[in-house]
Amino acid sequence: GQNIDQPTEMTATEGAIVQINCTYQTSGFNGLFWYQQHAGEAPTFLSYNVLDGLEEKGRFSSFLSRSKGYSYLLLKELQMKDSASYLCAVMDSNYQLIWGAGTKLIIKP
Amino acid sequence: GAVVSQHPSWVICKSGTSVKIECRSLDFQATTMFWYRQFPKQSLMLMATSNEGSKATYEQGVEKDKFLINHASLTLSTLTVTSAHPEDSSFYICSARDPGQENNEQFFGPGTRLTVL
Repeated sequence: GQNIDQPTEMTATEGAIVQINCTYQTSGFNGLFWYQQHAGEAPTFLSYNVLDGLEEKGRFSSFLSRSKGYSYLLLKELQMKDSASYLCAVMDSNYQLIWGAGTKLIIKP
Repeated sequence: GAVVSQHPSWVICKSGTSVKIECRSLDFQATTMFWYRQFPKQSLMLMATSNEGSKATYEQGVEKDKFLINHASLTLSTLTVTSAHPEDSSFYICSARDPGQENNEQFFGPGTRLTVL
């Protein structure tokens, strides 16, 4: 079956760095997405990786290793507004998104 | 980026009534739209894939007669929750892929919070 695993919850301090890991097993691979979702709101797109390596976008970076079925989202210089759930999703061979359960990130002052 | 709208943002209805939710792609044509449901503190669950001009593809366990999907145009898909019951109370979110984007990103609507009394 298809499976996406990510930690349920993480806590970090304002100004620090946090890494959220995601491992996946899917039938085919057409890219991995990270989305941010604040409580009561729809997800918003953060990043897309389809090739191995690191994609950097401001304070956020995302890494992919296809051979290991592994990705991480790195958040630097954490701000209180970064408190949200972070969803890892993989697009399978049918171009359908398979979603992880999300990681709730709590930022403390 | 591409914009997807949803209407209404929230709705409260009595048990047994039907509720229609609209999803529109505002600045692109979406041949495929997706309907998700999200219960509190849970991840998104794909309900169905809506294809313009053809029948929707429902995920296992989703009742097609209860959740009616119509994708009548390239910019509009509707989800009708028929004979809603309290257990149907949830956050319903639609998304669409812009064929003009290379990265297959799905753009999400703002969601519709349904409360069935």
